[in-house]
Amino acid sequence: EIVLTQSPGTLSLSPGERATLSCRASQSVSSSYLAWYQQKPGQAPRLLIYAASGRATGIPDRFSGSGSGTDFTLTITRLEPEDFAVYYCQQYGSSPTFGQGTKVEIK
Amino acid sequence: EVQLVESGGGLVKPGGSLRLSCAASELTFSNVWMNWVRQAPGKGPEWVGRLKSKIGGGTADYAAPVKGRFTISRDDSKNTLYLQMNSLITEDTAVYYCTTDYYDNSAWVNYWGQGTLVTVSS
Repeated sequence: EIVLTQSPGTLSLSPGERATLSCRASQSVSSSYLAWYQQKPGQAPRLLIYAASGRATGIPDRFSGSGSGTDFTLTITRLEPEDFAVYYCQQYGSSPTFGQGTKVEIK
Repeated sequence: EVQLVESGGGLVKPGGSLRLSCAASELTFSNVWMNWVRQAPGKGPEWVGRLKSKIGGGTADYAAPVKGRFTISRDDSKNTLYLQMNSLITEDTAVYYCTTDYYDNSAWVNYWGQGTLVTVSS
């Protein structure tokens, strides 16, 4: 099983600031199979990024993904009030797994 | 707009069984692979298993914690996915989501239902 470790656990930032979230895999992940999700309380996760850097339909361009191999990054260039949420990375190969999440909270 | 609607959750005693359903609409259901994902209270999502489309082979894969206890099936004539859960344990308590993802006009799309809560408790 591929274990995904996200850091930091919590990110305290102000609106307008840049957020950088990390996802590290225990073994190499094909970039075609790395996704990022956003989840707000009481809602299902929403796909933001697929294939490591592809932006899902309707996702603002302030969200971007990068990385390869075992190290992946989600960047939010300027935080909007609606971006404060929990973010998960997922590898969706033969046996998908999720990271434990990074909470982006208002400072 | 694609809709996935789960049902069948509830309270069940340890060792008991439950069958969840997921009704799909606005989707060529028979062509897509379907997943079950669960999320325990206060935890991150956990993939439960996946059922390929018949044209994709029709086989199912399961996460280690549920293998041998859970079975995923589908009825393409009813656009419905099922999750049969047996020998339930307290650790199976979670919101269960059905999900699907596929390429649509060269973009990867991903849909989740609203989830159904399963509580395993004596």
